[in-house]
Amino acid sequence: GQQVMQIPQYQHVQEGEDFTTYCNSSTTLSNIQWYKQRPGGHPVFLIQLVKSGEVKKQKRLTFQFGEAKKNSSLHITATQTTDVGTYFCAGLYRGSTLGRLYFGRGTQLTVWP
Amino acid sequence: SAVISQKPSRDICQRGTSLTIQCQVDSQVTMMFWYRQQPGQSLTLIATANQGSEATYESGFVIDKFPISRPNLTFSTLTVSNMSPEDSSIYLCSVVQGVMDEQYFGPGTRLTVT
Repeated sequence: GQQVMQIPQYQHVQEGEDFTTYCNSSTTLSNIQWYKQRPGGHPVFLIQLVKSGEVKKQKRLTFQFGEAKKNSSLHITATQTTDVGTYFCAGLYRGSTLGRLYFGRGTQLTVWP
Repeated sequence: SAVISQKPSRDICQRGTSLTIQCQVDSQVTMMFWYRQQPGQSLTLIATANQGSEATYESGFVIDKFPISRPNLTFSTLTVSNMSPEDSSIYLCSVVQGVMDEQYFGPGTRLTVT
């Protein structure tokens, strides 16, 4: 079915450590998007991956899309306290209604100084 | 990027009553979505609202409980009817826009039902 699994649910790191969250779908995705939600805020779009094996970087954030377009990851290098929040992946499946995203459960990142 | 406002930002309601949440977008959009998010949880899609057609509801959500209006390309409302404490949640609207068809979310409406 159309479902995106995301792990871990929680991650606590010390400032300066790296962080990775993973998403997986049992069926091929058309594309995958990543969102960040700060505590008390709403989800904010970070990036979209479309191509098989695609890698995109935004400063300390690295996003990857698997070769089979079934999995994706977000890696943050040297976390900072400003990285605190919940990171969601959201998959779009071929044939789905335009914009109909399937959100993972999110990974809540806590960074202590 | 789209700028979205929601009203009210929060409300406390008694069980059995109804609340209508408004979502206003600063530009015309085709697709609008309504989500529910429990604290610390993921986003659950309630329905997709297209202008000029009936909203499409996800499994577990029905029109009688969550009627939606979409009178034009910049506005939508979601009503939470006959509320119970289980309806306490954050309700978010979103739109699809941009070169990557990304979603932009409103600030949310925090609903508490007592």
